[in-house]
Parts: sequence; C-alpha cells; structure tokens
Amino acid sequence: RKEVEQDPGPFNVPEGATVAFNCTYSNSASQSFFWYRQDCRKEPKLLMSVYSSGNEDGRFTAQLNRASQYISLLIRDSKLSDSATYLCVVNAAGGFKTIFGAGTRLFVKA
Amino acid sequence: ETGVTQSPTHLIKTRGQQVTLRCSSQSGHNTVSWYQQALGQGPQFIFQYYREEENGRGNFPPRFSGLQFPNYSSELNVNALELDDSALYLCASSPKREGNEQFFGPGTRLTVL
Repeated sequence: RKEVEQDPGPFNVPEGATVAFNCTYSNSASQSFFWYRQDCRKEPKLLMSVYSSGNEDGRFTAQLNRASQYISLLIRDSKLSDSATYLCVVNAAGGFKTIFGAGTRLFVKA
Repeated sequence: ETGVTQSPTHLIKTRGQQVTLRCSSQSGHNTVSWYQQALGQGPQFIFQYYREEENGRGNFPPRFSGLQFPNYSSELNVNALELDDSALYLCASSPKREGNEQFFGPGTRLTVL
C-alpha cells in the first residue's frame, strides 16, 4: 500500500463546476498535511495547509479527518486557470520526511 | 518566484557516469530537501539537510549523496548513473526542519542515455 494515495484522475470539468479531490495516508502518526499545485513542467507550489478544523481560502476548502486518515480538497466555481495537477502531501512522524501522492490532474474546460 | 535556484536546468549523461546538481536555498532558510520526480508521478523524497547535516533519508541507494554548505546551498551527487535515474530533480528549502511549507526550485531535468 502506498503511503499517500490520491484519486487517479484525470478530472475533466466545465468552468464553474465544483470538484473534490480525495487523499488517504497510511501513517497514523503523520503530523502535517498540505495540498500543492503543480503546473505542467513546473515546480510544485503550496496551495494550502490542511488543519484538523478544516480551512478555507477563497474558492478552496481543505478538510482533514485524522480518524479515517483522509484529506480532501474542494474547489468551487472552477476556473480555466485551475487546470493543473494537485498533490496531496504528508509529513511523516518526526517531520523530516515529506511524502507526496502521485497527484490528480484537473482539466477545466470552457 | 520562490528564490530557490537550481543548476543546471537540463543535463544529459550516459549510464555509469556521475552527476552533481546544485541548489541555492531561499534567504533565511536552513533546511534543504531533494526530490526525484519521474514522469507522471509525485516527487519522491531523497534526503533532507539541516544546518549542513543529513537529517533524514528516503528509500534511495547510497550512490545518491549530498552536501549542504555553510550558506545553506546544497548539492546532490549521483554516482554510477542508471537509465531509471532519468527524472526531474527538485530542491526545496524551508525555514524550519519540520512541518513547514517548502519552496521549490524549478528543477533539473536529467536524462540518462
């Protein structure tokens, strides 16, 4: 079993749609959680951290369920510019080892 | 721009050769991590350096080695290159050792023929 697993994708959605990405992690002692965005042939960039209480940043909402070892990202009112690969990221216990999921590719079409 | 730079941007080597990749971390960041990203995959953690010492390592063989310098810049060395080493190599810096946002450089694309 992979340490971090994401929806395989790709997701193809029209502009204005709401899309949700799911991620599970295997190490129950994991401490920090993030969503990164990676554009084609570019480096990953932090989209948002994920907190146990859930957090929102504009059109983006992240949720963490520690009991189920599950992380989600919701994008509302999708824009063409949201087209990218979304990477679920977990810091293992001890903090130094960062584990990325394989990523879920999103295509938003006009 | 993150302020993290990497060199070179592209590199072509042959099997058995050795390669050194370089990374300059963002100002004020004392932690550097290296990742290997194969096509269609997420970045895989190679190792992390904190204040010039290796702070942790992923599942990579010893022919992957590194250094961090007093100015917190870093090198990744790969010996005895194999075809499967072809990938994008990403360097990321962060202001703390644990649990922080990481700022990635643009990467070095290595092709092994």
